[in-house]
Amino acid sequence: GAVVSQHPSRVICKSGTSVKIECRSLDFQATTMFWYRQFPKQSLMLMATSNEGSKATYEQGVEKDKFLINHASLTLSTLTVTSAHPEDSSFYICSPDRDGNYGYTFGSGTRLTVV
Amino acid sequence: AQKITQTQPGMFVQEKEAVTLDCTYDTSDQSYGLFWYKQPSSGEMIFLIYQGSYDEQNATEGRYSLNFQKARKSANLVISASQLGDSAMYFCAMREIPNLYGGSQGNLIFGKGTKLSVKP
Repeated sequence: GAVVSQHPSRVICKSGTSVKIECRSLDFQATTMFWYRQFPKQSLMLMATSNEGSKATYEQGVEKDKFLINHASLTLSTLTVTSAHPEDSSFYICSPDRDGNYGYTFGSGTRLTVV
Repeated sequence: AQKITQTQPGMFVQEKEAVTLDCTYDTSDQSYGLFWYKQPSSGEMIFLIYQGSYDEQNATEGRYSLNFQKARKSANLVISASQLGDSAMYFCAMREIPNLYGGSQGNLIFGKGTKLSVKP
């Protein structure tokens, strides 16, 4: 199956600072990367979809100026949480788009805590 | 309206017994895929099993089987011979076919999950 590397796995940052999360597809080229967010004791919700070479699309209620997504190459997509606040504390996890017959692979996730 | 419904927030099962986790879905698409994932406390999402809407036979993967009842729009996960390591959150998910007119982008839509606890 596809291998996806996500870093960092855990980060604690101060309120007002920015955090960058990287997601790399190691053994295939991902033209599309899905970014999900999971608040404690809740399910995964799609935040945004990044597309290589074009602008990301954001789900309703997700601020595109706050969650900057860059998909500069077929193997790397990044999510930057700008001016982070405690309410941004969550589990962020990426998943490259695959043919629907495959089990979607996920990164290992990033647990962000904003203090 | 929820597209994926998991009505069991928590389930207990005795070790070595079988357990069924419920999942119902809602879609107007004819072609879609259904998935089950396991999420241990570490947070990683572990793919368990897939069922395509046109698959006539229920999917099986080792101790996991998917009881697919298309007319009822249900896709229950059956875990046989439960093990202590099966204790985790289990999510049912659906993928609709992406289209250019809005709607699905091909991402997964998840249910709220069921927390399974296996008792020794």
